[in-house]
Amino acid sequence: DVKVTQSSRYLVKRTGEKVFLECVQDMDHENMFWYRQDPGLGLRLIYFSYDVKMKEKGDIPEGYSVSREKKERFSLILESASTNQTSMYLCASSASGGAYTQYFGPGTRLTVL
Amino acid sequence: GQQLNQSPQSMFIQEGEDVSMNCTSSSIFNTWLWYKQDPGEGPVLLIALYKAGELTSNGRLTAQFGITRKDSFLNISASIPSDVGIYFCAGQSPTTDSWGKLQFGAGTQVVVTP
Repeated sequence: DVKVTQSSRYLVKRTGEKVFLECVQDMDHENMFWYRQDPGLGLRLIYFSYDVKMKEKGDIPEGYSVSREKKERFSLILESASTNQTSMYLCASSASGGAYTQYFGPGTRLTVL
Repeated sequence: GQQLNQSPQSMFIQEGEDVSMNCTSSSIFNTWLWYKQDPGEGPVLLIALYKAGELTSNGRLTAQFGITRKDSFLNISASIPSDVGIYFCAGQSPTTDSWGKLQFGAGTQVVVTP
């Protein structure tokens, strides 16, 4: 059974704080993704990684960075959280090689006050 | 990224009715995926389609990969209250995306009344 886990379901932070969101997958997938989901805007890709230590910007990378030191773990970092980063954050992973089916984690609802 | 055209935006149906929704794209896709998302949860994969013309079922769900490779539909038969949620389509285009990036539809909100 495929499994993507995220470190927190709910998180409340203050403006200016550094925030770490962790994602772990147990499927030995090469590709990992971070999205944010907002009402009316759908799923938007922040960053993705196709290998350890590799990262690529998605559609909305500003204000975020990522880290992938191990194959199974992909971290999203908000260097200085702002209120407009209040959102649902979703992590996903997929295998490389053609199928590209992405499996999602349960999400982290982040509120920045 | 570009969004797929998913319709309808929402559906209010009675328990026992069938539901149909579809997604279209301006470019051809190699993969079509259908997900369901409950409130406050992550999307859960329902059906994955990898070949034009493919018709796949998962219980009361049936999805098809359009023959033109530019569309897909999802049917839910004999709806029950737990079918409530948002259904998303997603696709992977070989011409516009690499590394397995997906394009997503905006979602179809399904509400089932007893």
